[in-house]
Amino acid sequence: RKEVEQDPGPFNVPEGATVAFNCTYSNSASQSFFWYRQDCRKEPKLLMSVYSSGNEDGRFTAQLNRASQYISLLIRDSKLSDSATYLCVVNMGGYQKVTFGIGTKLQVIP
Amino acid sequence: NAGVTQTPKFQVLKTGQSMTLQCAQDMNHNSMYWYRQDPGMGLRLIYYSASEGTTDKGEVPNGYNVSRLNKREFSLRLESAAPSQTSVYFCASSDQVHNEQFFGPGTRLTVL
Repeated sequence: RKEVEQDPGPFNVPEGATVAFNCTYSNSASQSFFWYRQDCRKEPKLLMSVYSSGNEDGRFTAQLNRASQYISLLIRDSKLSDSATYLCVVNMGGYQKVTFGIGTKLQVIP
Repeated sequence: NAGVTQTPKFQVLKTGQSMTLQCAQDMNHNSMYWYRQDPGMGLRLIYYSASEGTTDKGEVPNGYNVSRLNKREFSLRLESAAPSQTSVYFCASSDQVHNEQFFGPGTRLTVL
């Protein structure tokens, strides 16, 4: 089993739709979790950290389920500008290393 | 603040040539990283430096060497480039406590 797994997509959704991505991780000792956004031919940029209690930033909501070992990202009222690849990132803790998922590609269609 | 800068942006090498990729950050971060990104494989860690004066191997270190020159700069060297090293290389840095990483714009390397 891969350490971090994501559905690569693509997810094609109409503008205004709600879309959700999941990411599963294998190491139950993982300590911190993040969602990054990567535009085509650009560098990844932090979208949001994922906290145990869940967190929201505008149209974006991230949640962590430690029992089932997955994190999720919900995007409400999708915009064309949300089209990108969303990377799930898991930090195993104890040393300065993180594991990146392969990313889920989102295409928002007019 | 410039954040994380990388040079060069693009490079074409012939098999067997050597080169050094440069990276610098101005955020006073302790930790720095080098990744490669290939289609369908995501980002893979080549080397990291938890703090100035230390470096450690990541997932795919073979064929590479690194130098943490000072707190700001972390370079990646290919001693004898191979076609399998054709990739996009990203440098990143992080605050040691939070581990959120900030990336440079990347170097697109082609080895012929």
